[in-house]
Amino acid sequence: GAVVSQHPSWVICKSGTSVKIECRSLDFQATTMFWYRQFPKQSLMLMATSNEGSKATYEQGVEKDKFLINHASLTLSTLTVTSAHPEDSSFYICSAMGPTVYGYTFGSGTRLTVV
Amino acid sequence: AQKITQTQPGMFVQEKEAVTLDCTYDTSDQSYGLFWYKQPSSGEMIFLIYQGSYDEQNATEGRYSLNFQKARKSANLVISASQLGDSAMYFCAMREPNSGNTPLVFGKGTRLSVIA
Repeated sequence: GAVVSQHPSWVICKSGTSVKIECRSLDFQATTMFWYRQFPKQSLMLMATSNEGSKATYEQGVEKDKFLINHASLTLSTLTVTSAHPEDSSFYICSAMGPTVYGYTFGSGTRLTVV
Repeated sequence: AQKITQTQPGMFVQEKEAVTLDCTYDTSDQSYGLFWYKQPSSGEMIFLIYQGSYDEQNATEGRYSLNFQKARKSANLVISASQLGDSAMYFCAMREPNSGNTPLVFGKGTRLSVIA
């Protein structure tokens, strides 16, 4: 079946440093990837939509200079949290379009803790 | 306005009993898709069931069924014969329109606890 590999599954970083999260579609081409953020005991909130070869579209309130999204190939999209602060601590999860019947394949998520 | 409303923050159900998780939605689109996902404590999103707005029959997938009442804009999830492993967060989500590269919009979720 369709698999999206998300790495790392968890990361602890110091305040002020940058962290890169990768989502890779292993057995299909993902022209579109969605990035979500989930705070504890809350819902998934869409951060941005990334399309291969073009700039990501960010949701209102999401700082594009802080959350850098790159979708340089059909199988890889990355989210870089720049100059991370404790308030960026959250669960980040990606979702690729295709190829399942209903269209969405989720990564396993990354738990980010900024200390 | 919220697109997806889940009014039950938490639910308890006895093992082997059935449980209904509520979901109402708001859209002016004629074409939309409704989804239910299970999220265990590990965080992964497990797809459970899908209902298209033009589907005339309620969707079923094993122990999961979706009670789709279009006029009331509700898409409740019914889990029959609950198991201990069903304890998790459950999210209702919608895609509108139901085509193209459209992201899912999620409700706030319901935490289901199955009691032995």
